[in-house]
Amino acid sequence: SQQGEEDPQALSIQEGENATMNCSYKTSINNLQWYRQNSGRGLVHLILIRSNEREKHSGRLRVTLDTSKKSSSLLITASRAADTASYFCATDAAGGYQKVTFGTGTKLQVIP
Amino acid sequence: DVKVTQSSRYLVKRTGEKVFLECVQDMDHENMFWYRQDPGLGLRLIYFSYDVKMKEKGDIPEGYSVSREKKERFSLILESASTNQTSMYLCASSLTRYEQYFGPGTRLTVT
Repeated sequence: SQQGEEDPQALSIQEGENATMNCSYKTSINNLQWYRQNSGRGLVHLILIRSNEREKHSGRLRVTLDTSKKSSSLLITASRAADTASYFCATDAAGGYQKVTFGTGTKLQVIP
Repeated sequence: DVKVTQSSRYLVKRTGEKVFLECVQDMDHENMFWYRQDPGLGLRLIYFSYDVKMKEKGDIPEGYSVSREKKERFSLILESASTNQTSMYLCASSLTRYEQYFGPGTRLTVT
């Protein structure tokens, strides 16, 4: 299966600290995306990184991609209580039209 | 802003009932998706559609069917609901297969 696996499954930090979560996947990809899901709601797209990119920033988010290790990380700097949510990576396999496959998610709690 | 709406936030049905979950998007997106989300399993793709009247099976299509008669509407049908179909159902749409826009979800309980 192409499914990404996030690590850790759960993370609890104090407001103002940085949060790092990781995603590993099994086969070559075209792109990797990160989504956020607030409790009981739909997912919201955060950022996309292409397979030929190594790092990407968006506001307080920093995403890295290491295709040799088949892994990605999402860093949220200066976390806020509003960042409390589950975070999912989503991958699509290289070569042809393929569906996007979501991982199982990291549940982040930011304590005020 | 893209808006994806789902017909119900919460739904309770009995075993054996036929269940319709409706999803509507307002951004003229080609692609639409149905997922189910269960604790510890993440999101699993049930079906997707890349055009009107077109559909493709995802990872777990058994027990489900879909209908896409109009571009903006994608329906998920449970022909005969079973208790193992109790789940959160999420609909999404996208212009490409990236940056999917999700609806708020329907929490379905089958008793």
